[in-house]
Amino acid sequence: DIQMTQSPSSLSASVGDRVTITCQASQDISNYLNWYQQKPGKAPKLLIYDASNLETGVPSRFSGSGSGTDFTFTISSLQPEDIATYYCQQYDNLLITFGQGTRLEIK
Amino acid sequence: EVQLVESGGVVVQPGGSLRLSCAASGFTFDDYAMHWVRQAPGKGLEWVSLISWDGGSTYYADSVKGRFTISRDNSKNSLYLQMNSLRAEDTALYYCAKDIKAAAGTFDYWGQGTLVTVSS
Repeated sequence: DIQMTQSPSSLSASVGDRVTITCQASQDISNYLNWYQQKPGKAPKLLIYDASNLETGVPSRFSGSGSGTDFTFTISSLQPEDIATYYCQQYDNLLITFGQGTRLEIK
Repeated sequence: EVQLVESGGVVVQPGGSLRLSCAASGFTFDDYAMHWVRQAPGKGLEWVSLISWDGGSTYYADSVKGRFTISRDNSKNSLYLQMNSLRAEDTALYYCAKDIKAAAGTFDYWGQGTLVTVSS
């Protein structure tokens, strides 16, 4: 199985900060990489698909990049409503795995 | 509006069986693959299983292979997960999730989950 190493596991930042989360795959997954946001007590929400495509209705302060094994998720200007846990997820050959998650808090 | 409503979660003893259901509405059900994803209390997300749009292809995480069976009834817009030989580590909130395509691996809609507790 493909392992996804996501870092950091937790992050504290101030409103307006630029926030970056990384995800590394254990083998080449091309661009088969998605990012989700999960708020406490809620189901996950798709933010970015195929590494860099913004899901419809998602604010443009969210972005993703990368291909192969190294991927980055960025919030350009952190807002209070962005407090959540973020997960990367790969779907190469339909055996799907998630990263461990990054818990984002406001400083 | 897309809606996914899971049901069937209960407390079950180790070694027991359970069948989860997911009722789908608001989209053409048989155009899309469907998934089960679980989340143990306080833990991260774990993909469980995928079924293609027509039920012809199924995939499982190693942790459930041979014990869980995914199925769908397109005439009823319903997805199922038959869970056998349950273990304590299967305790989790089980989400039903819609794929963006016939079989891709991207989840664009999720239900609210149904809680399975495996305990004696």
